[in-house]
This record gives sequence, structure tokens and C-alpha cells, in this order.
Amino acid sequence: EVVLTQSPGTLSLSPGERATLSCRASQSISSNFFAWYQQKPGQPPRLLIFGASNRAAGIPDRFSGSGSGTDFTLTISRLEPEDFAVYYCQQYGSSQTFGQGTKVEI
Amino acid sequence: QAHLVQSGAEVKKPGASVKVSCKASGYPFTSYAMHWVRQAPGQGLELMGWINTGTGKTKYTQKFQGRVTITRDTSASTAYMELSSLRSEDTALYFCARSGVIREVIYTFDVWGQGTMVTVSS
Repeated sequence: EVVLTQSPGTLSLSPGERATLSCRASQSISSNFFAWYQQKPGQPPRLLIFGASNRAAGIPDRFSGSGSGTDFTLTISRLEPEDFAVYYCQQYGSSQTFGQGTKVEI
Repeated sequence: QAHLVQSGAEVKKPGASVKVSCKASGYPFTSYAMHWVRQAPGQGLELMGWINTGTGKTKYTQKFQGRVTITRDTSASTAYMELSSLRSEDTALYFCARSGVIREVIYTFDVWGQGTMVTVSS
């Protein structure tokens, strides 16, 4: 099973700042099958990025994804108040796993 | 517009079973897989398993093998997740989520249900 480890566990930032979230896989995975989700309290997760770097429909361009192999990154260029949430990485394809999440807090 | 609506909150006693439904609308039900993901209070996302709604074939995460059963009713565009032998650690918010599927290869979870809270308490 592919284990995804996210870092940091919590990121404390202010609106307008840049957020950089990391996700490391226990073995190399195809970037075609890597995604990021955002979850706010009391809501289901929302797909942000698929295929490592493609924004899902309706996702603002301040969100960007990059990476390959075992190391992937989600960047939020300038944090808006609504971006403070928990972010999960996911690998999918023939198997699926989620990372443990990174909380972005004010 | 694709939409998933789950059944309401449940309170169960230890040892009992719970069955949660997930009704799909706005898309061809049998063209997508349906996954079940749970989230214990304050915790992360935990995959339970999925069903190919076209073929009925299921795949379960090892942790839940033998305790979870995922089914579907194509005439009602509804998927179900039944969890048996409940214990307090099963108290969680249970989500269904849709994904594309091609020959057992899963794609992103692009539509989610609102979640169903299951509380296990004596």
C-alpha cells in the first residue's frame, strides 16, 4: 500500500501570505493519479487538483499543484480568508490512499 | 448537475449494524464508481471500499474486510454501505463519493455526499 505523508501537520499563516504544502509518497506514483482536496468543518472534501497539476472546475488560479515521483506540492499563492481549511493529498488509480491532512490556520 | 444525497444520522448500540444510503442524481449512475470514506471526529479521511455500479463488483479496504458490505440498486440510482459489529471506534461521519472508473482504475472523487453521522453508544 502506498503511504502518503503530509507536512507540516499545521501551517499557521496570515491572509495574503503564500502557503506551501507537501505530500511524500512511500513509493513512486504516477503524477496522472495524484490529487489534492480541501475540506472545511462540517463539509465534505472538495476536489482542488487532479493529475498533480490540473485545477478542477471552478478552482481559483491561486491554487497550483506540482511534483512527480514521490514528492508533490500544493501552493496557494495568496491566502484568502476562505482558504483556511484542511488539505488532503490522494493517490488514485489501481489503489487509493489519502494523506493524513495539513491544517492551514490563521 | 451531479448530486449525491445521503440518509440521515444514525445512533446504534455496540454490536449492531448500520446501513447508509447514497442517492445519485444528475448523471448516469452506472457510469461511475461509488466510494465510501469515513472520518472520525477530528481525524482524517479513511477509505472503506468501493463498488463498480455498472458491474456490481466491490473492493474493500483490508481493515474493513468481513465487516462492510457495499451494494447498489441501479433502478433507484442508490448505493448502500452496511457496517456490522459496530463498536465505539466506528463513530464517524460517513461519506459517499463518486469517481470515474475504467477497467478497475479509479479516478478522482469529484462529487461527494453531504455525510451521514453514525454514533455508536451503549
